[in-house]
Amino acid sequence: GESVGLHLPTLSVQEGDNSIINCAYSNSASDYFIWYKQESGKGPQFIIDIRSNMDKRQGQRVTVLLNKTVKHLSLQIAATQPGDSAVYFCAENMGDNYGQNFVFGPGTRLSVLP
Amino acid sequence: DTEVTQTPKHLVMGMTNKKSLKCEQHMGHRAMYWYKQKAKKPPELMFVYSYEKLSINESVPSRFSPECPNSSLLNLHLHALQPEDSALYLCASSQEAIPYTEAFFGQGTRLTVV
Repeated sequence: GESVGLHLPTLSVQEGDNSIINCAYSNSASDYFIWYKQESGKGPQFIIDIRSNMDKRQGQRVTVLLNKTVKHLSLQIAATQPGDSAVYFCAENMGDNYGQNFVFGPGTRLSVLP
Repeated sequence: DTEVTQTPKHLVMGMTNKKSLKCEQHMGHRAMYWYKQKAKKPPELMFVYSYEKLSINESVPSRFSPECPNSSLLNLHLHALQPEDSALYLCASSQEAIPYTEAFFGQGTRLTVV
């Protein structure tokens, strides 16, 4: 399940199950979104992106859904594996300064249980 | 080569020291970024360089001084830092200063100010 509190929100899933990580973004003018994965001691790693003219995009084992009406983004990971354990950040592009200004969400820690 | 290389990986410095963080990429990217990340928090944008010119400064204190000697290199000069500046400093680059381009991140420099 998912817990939110003083610490980073954590989502725990069984290996092999599907994971859904949610993100609320702040600016209705944002027109480009990226999901990043950050493993302990490493920099963020690109997973998948989506533009605001789309509501769904699929990659290998991952799907991003965008709901502009409620300013909500989700990342679905199919058949979650132990290597998926990490912190996941959504990042929104505010649409200004030629797209250089990415604002990151608070992050969710995904913990994959054996 | 899809790497952004940061040196050093770890740095401990006193409040009166002067040190520099270095970042290098050979992907031909023309936008380079510095982010600061505190523990259990998302990365926060500090500076953006576009075509070797400073294009965004997110109200960062002057004790942090960025420099972009050429299109492949980005430095962050540190002077008279405070203990609260201890964090992971991440460098990133993207193809050009245009929308809809992902940022590639380095592994970061873990900075401790004592």
